Amino acid sequence: NAGVMQNPRHLVRRRGQEARLRCSPMKGHSHVYWYRQLPEEGLKFMVYLQKENIIDESGMPKERFSAEFPKEGPSILRIQQVVRGDSAAYFCASSPVFLDLTGELFFGEGSRLTVL
Amino acid sequence: GEDVEQSLFLSVREGDSSVINCTYTDSSSTYLYWYKQEPGAGLQLLTYIFSNMDMKQDQRLTVLLNKKDKHLSLRIADTQTGDSAIYFCAERDMDSNYQLIWGAGTKLIIKP
Repeated sequence: NAGVMQNPRHLVRRRGQEARLRCSPMKGHSHVYWYRQLPEEGLKFMVYLQKENIIDESGMPKERFSAEFPKEGPSILRIQQVVRGDSAAYFCASSPVFLDLTGELFFGEGSRLTVL
Repeated sequence: GEDVEQSLFLSVREGDSSVINCTYTDSSSTYLYWYKQEPGAGLQLLTYIFSNMDMKQDQRLTVLLNKKDKHLSLRIADTQTGDSAIYFCAERDMDSNYQLIWGAGTKLIIKP
């Protein structure tokens, strides 16, 4: 499967635990974007990364959330000490270059986090 | 701030036309997009329109843009069961090259 791969698809955590969401971009893509979707709301931008660099994290909550995209391996979105309000679908998208005029992002199937 | 609004559900009969509507607030929008999300899958770009266009047609899809009213619509002719999906409207403004502003998505339900 050459598409954007996200795992796990579903993750259940208790309050205070840590959640790690992984995203492998499409082959040849070096730009990764993370979005969060709350029920009945649109996707909200969280962070934009290139290999080993965070380009824009203006959509990330200041505390408990972090993201990385190492030289080798998938991009990881990490949520520490999860709270019920973190329950959402987290989507990863990638693009081959900086988002071009067509605006085409290639999305994964999403990771659905449920915090008990 | 910028906002994109869509109805959450639309129900149509198979064979009829579906019209999915979207309104946006950012007057500096340059590109507007429709993405499709089939059950259990990621979002896929369906079509896009430049803000200097009024209409774009691609096979069964017609996109209409009314800049004055900040209204975007997606018409699907001869709706088929395979069109069942959630359709997301998104806009991109001149100030942000990569931050798309998204609607909540319209779930298209096809009745036999």
